[in-house]
Amino acid sequence: AQKITQTQPGMFVQEKEAVTLDCTYDTSDPSYGLFWYKQPSSGEMIFLIYQGSYDQQNATEGRYSLNFQKARKSANLVISASQLGDSAMYFCAMREVTGNQFYFGTGTSLTVIP
Amino acid sequence: NAGVTQTPKFRILKIGQSMTLQCAQDMNHNYMYWYRQDPGMGLKLIYYSVGAGITDKGEVPNGYNVSRSTTEDFPLRLELAAPSQTSVYFCASSRTGVSSYNEQFFGPGTRLTVL
Repeated sequence: AQKITQTQPGMFVQEKEAVTLDCTYDTSDPSYGLFWYKQPSSGEMIFLIYQGSYDQQNATEGRYSLNFQKARKSANLVISASQLGDSAMYFCAMREVTGNQFYFGTGTSLTVIP
Repeated sequence: NAGVTQTPKFRILKIGQSMTLQCAQDMNHNYMYWYRQDPGMGLKLIYYSVGAGITDKGEVPNGYNVSRSTTEDFPLRLELAAPSQTSVYFCASSRTGVSSYNEQFFGPGTRLTVL
């Protein structure tokens, strides 16, 4: 079974609107971390936001927030007030406390329309 | 503080040639990783290391070898290059454990073409 599933290959959003990128995960480990990365067309991987499995509140970092629903095993990224510079690939990832690897999803390509 | 550095940035190889992709980090991270990213695809783990002298296979290790003689360096060796190894290669590092301080830091990538 896939550890991380991103079901939206491509998304479009109007500039200044909010957008939600979906991510579901699969683990039996009670302790884990969830990460979102951005990859612009230039190719580098940029860390955006982190959510720990025991965190009581949803993580927020500026215009990024993580909608963490533990029972549903989902960790959706919400980008508010989209900007043209948000156009990029977005990857969801997970790391289990018992493991050494990061598991990445297949990514979602976000295009912000002016 | 350079973070994770990779050399070279670009390389073209002929089929059957060998090469080493260099990766170094200056953050004293125990964990280091090698990924490949094919066009329009996600990351696939090739090899990883949890410390000097310790390496383990990831999802797609065939055709590659690694070594970890120091904490800082984690070179990836391609033997007998094949067109299927055309990809962008990312090296990454992280601290031990699961917390907000332990995200992966990525290098800028090496774009490899095998013709």
